[in-house]
Amino acid sequence: SQKIEQNSEALNIQEGKTATLTCNYTNYSPAYLQWYRQDPGRGPVFLLLIRENEKEKRKERLKVTFDTTLKQSLFHITASQPADSATYLCALDGGGFKTIFGAGTRLFVKA
Amino acid sequence: DGGITQSPKYLFRKEGQNVTLSCEQNLNHDAMYWYRQDPGQGLRLIYYSQIVNDFQKGDIAEGYSVSREKKESFPLTVTSAQKNPTAFYLCASSIGVMGTEAFFGQGTRLTVV
Repeated sequence: SQKIEQNSEALNIQEGKTATLTCNYTNYSPAYLQWYRQDPGRGPVFLLLIRENEKEKRKERLKVTFDTTLKQSLFHITASQPADSATYLCALDGGGFKTIFGAGTRLFVKA
Repeated sequence: DGGITQSPKYLFRKEGQNVTLSCEQNLNHDAMYWYRQDPGQGLRLIYYSQIVNDFQKGDIAEGYSVSREKKESFPLTVTSAQKNPTAFYLCASSIGVMGTEAFFGQGTRLTVV
């Protein structure tokens, strides 16, 4: 079955630095991959989508890469701010209309 | 404002009781979804519906039921057959085209007491 792995350990970085989060997947070749942000006690909010034929996608301070050979996506936040502190979820095409979510990585940005 | 609304935010249920979680959207989306989130785990799909009067089981449908009588509404019933119902439940909607973003509600935290 499809499996998504995100680092379960929290990532702690200093304000102004670049945060890099990793999403690895196995047993599947997804047509797309998405990243969401989730704050405690709230629903996830969509950030970016990248398709299998795209290597990189940018949106303001966010950048996503998608390496279908390595079966990996990297999510970067440049010039990080304390307001970026949240859990970031990776999600991929599960076939049909299904989307499979990873458990997420918690990011803490210290001022 | 367009959006997706879940209610209530917190819900307490006694063992052996059925309970229904509400989900309403005014985004004119065809597809709607119910997920369950447990600590340290990803969102797991319970049920999804691509169109009115039609829905399919997700990965963990046992002990749950849904209905889709109206485009804007997709209520989830947690039955007494669900062995471990305490969790954070999330409803989402999308335009129904594969790969498009999902819009999530604020979630309902269900606790069995």
